[in-house]
Amino acid sequence: RKEVEQDPGPFNVPEGATVAFNCTYSNSASQSFFWYRQDCRKEPKLLMSVYSSGNEDGRFTAQLNRASQYISLLIRDSKLSDSATYLCVVNLNTGGFKTIFGAGTRLFVKA
Amino acid sequence: DVKVTQSSRYLVKRTGEKVFLECVQDMDHENMFWYRQDPGLGLRLIYFSYDVKMKEKGDIPEGYSVSREKKERFSLILESASTNQTSMYLCASSASDGTPSSYEQYFGPGTRLTVT
Repeated sequence: RKEVEQDPGPFNVPEGATVAFNCTYSNSASQSFFWYRQDCRKEPKLLMSVYSSGNEDGRFTAQLNRASQYISLLIRDSKLSDSATYLCVVNLNTGGFKTIFGAGTRLFVKA
Repeated sequence: DVKVTQSSRYLVKRTGEKVFLECVQDMDHENMFWYRQDPGLGLRLIYFSYDVKMKEKGDIPEGYSVSREKKERFSLILESASTNQTSMYLCASSASDGTPSSYEQYFGPGTRLTVT
């Protein structure tokens, strides 16, 4: 079982739709959680950090469920420019540095 | 804004060549990382460094070495390039102040390396 698992998609949605991505992690020592966005042939860029049960930033909402060991990302009112790959990232507290990236979920928003 | 730069966007090398990839960050970050990204495999950590002259192996260090002589610069070295090292190489940096945000990593634009 992968330490961080995401549905690879792709998710194809029309503009204006609401779309949600889930990410599960296997290590209960996971401490901090992030969503990154990666455009085609570009570097990953931090989208949101998730430090408690969740947080919201405009059209984006991230939630964390420690009991079930998953985080989610909700995008409301999708824009064409939201088309990208979304990476779930988990940082472990193992006494040393350990960050694990999910393989990503691909989103296509169509007009 | 954090800025992480990498020496080349595209690089083509021959099998057996020694390859140097350079990364520079301007935010005085303590931590620096080298990843490779391949389709279907996601980002995999090659090496990281938490201080000058300090380095730690990541998940896939074989065939690579690193150098960190200055805080802002982290180099990845392929001692003898092989075709299975064809990949996208991404450098990243993060702070080390103990706060949750210190785990946020900032990436350079990547180097697409092709080994023929």
